[in-house]
This record gives sequence, structure tokens and C-alpha cells, in this order.
Amino acid sequence: DIQLTQSPSFLSASVGDRVTLTCRASQGIGSSLAWYQQEPGKAPKVLIYAASTLQSGVPSRFSGSGSGTEFTLTISSLQPEDFGTYYCQQLKSYPLTFGGGTKVEIK
Amino acid sequence: EVQLVQSGAELKKPGESLKISCKGSGYSFTNYWIAWVRQMPGKGLEWLGIIYPGDSDTRYSPSFQGQVTISADKSVSTAYLQWSSLKASDTAMYYCARRDTNWYSDYWGQGTLVTVSS
Repeated sequence: DIQLTQSPSFLSASVGDRVTLTCRASQGIGSSLAWYQQEPGKAPKVLIYAASTLQSGVPSRFSGSGSGTEFTLTISSLQPEDFGTYYCQQLKSYPLTFGGGTKVEIK
Repeated sequence: EVQLVQSGAELKKPGESLKISCKGSGYSFTNYWIAWVRQMPGKGLEWLGIIYPGDSDTRYSPSFQGQVTISADKSVSTAYLQWSSLKASDTAMYYCARRDTNWYSDYWGQGTLVTVSS
């Protein structure tokens, strides 16, 4: 199985801050990575796929980059509705594993 | 409008069997894979497996192979996740999700909470 390690596991930031989340894969996965946001009590929602493609309807303050084994999700200006837990998922091969998540708190 | 609607919350005893469902609508159900994802209380997302309703081709995570069974009935546009003998450690929220052609999960069900307690 391909393992994904997310860092940090917890992040507290202020509205307007630039925030960067990292996801590292145990082996190269090309650009086969997606990012999801999960608010408490809700199903996850896709933000980014193919490492850097913004899903339709997702605000442009979200962006993704990276390839191979290292990936980042950046929120250019954190908004109050951006709280929640962010997960990466590798889409290279079965099982389609998730990272452990980064919980984002708004200060 | 694409929708995945899951069956309601379940309270079961250890050793009991269970089958939960995920009904798709608003798209061609047979043409998209459906995945199942587990979320234990306060924990992260775990990918259990996936099925292609068109021909019932199924793939499991090695961690869950033999622990659960994934199936689908294309005549009623519904995917299923079942257990033959539940354990307390199966207590979790279970989500179904549609796999897009780019392999990410673009639509999710609302989740089914399974509680296993004596």
C-alpha cells in the first residue's frame, strides 16, 4: 500500500493568513493526488484533484501543487468557513489510501 | 442532480450481521465506481474498497479484505456494504462515494452511523 503522511496534524491560524498543508507519499505517485475538506459532522468535499486542478465551484484561494512524493495545499487567505480537517488521497493505485489529516482551527 | 442516499443509522450487538445501502440517482449508476470509506469516532478516513456496478468488479483494501463484503444491484441503483459478524471495533460512520473518471471521489453519501454495542 502507498502510505500518505500529512503535516502538520493541527494548525491554528488567523483569518487572512496564508496557510500551507503538506502531504508526502511513501512512493512516487505522479500527480495522482486529491485534497478534501471535511467539516465536523459532514461528508468530505473534494477541493483539488490531479494535484493541482481546482474542482468546479471551489474558491480560487485554494491551490494545490507538487508531484512525485511531495504535495502541498495552500489557502491564500484563510476564511472563517475554511475550518475543518483536510485530507489528501492518492489515486495512483488500489487501495486508494488517505493521509491522516490536518485539522485547521481559526484563531 | 447527482445524489447518493445512504440508509439510516444502525444499533447492533456484537456477532450480528448487517447490510447498509447507498442508492445513486441523477446519473448512470452502472458507469461509475462506488467506494466505501470508514471513519471511526474522532479519527481519519479509511478506504475500504470499491465496486463497479456495471459488472460487479470489486477491489478491497488488504486491511478490510475478508472483514466486509461490497456488492451492488444495478436494477435498483444501489451499492451495499455488509458484515456477517459485527464487532465493537466496527463502530464508525461509513460513507459511500462515487469515483470520478479522474479517480477522485466527487459525490458522497451523507454517511451511515453504525454502532455495535452489547
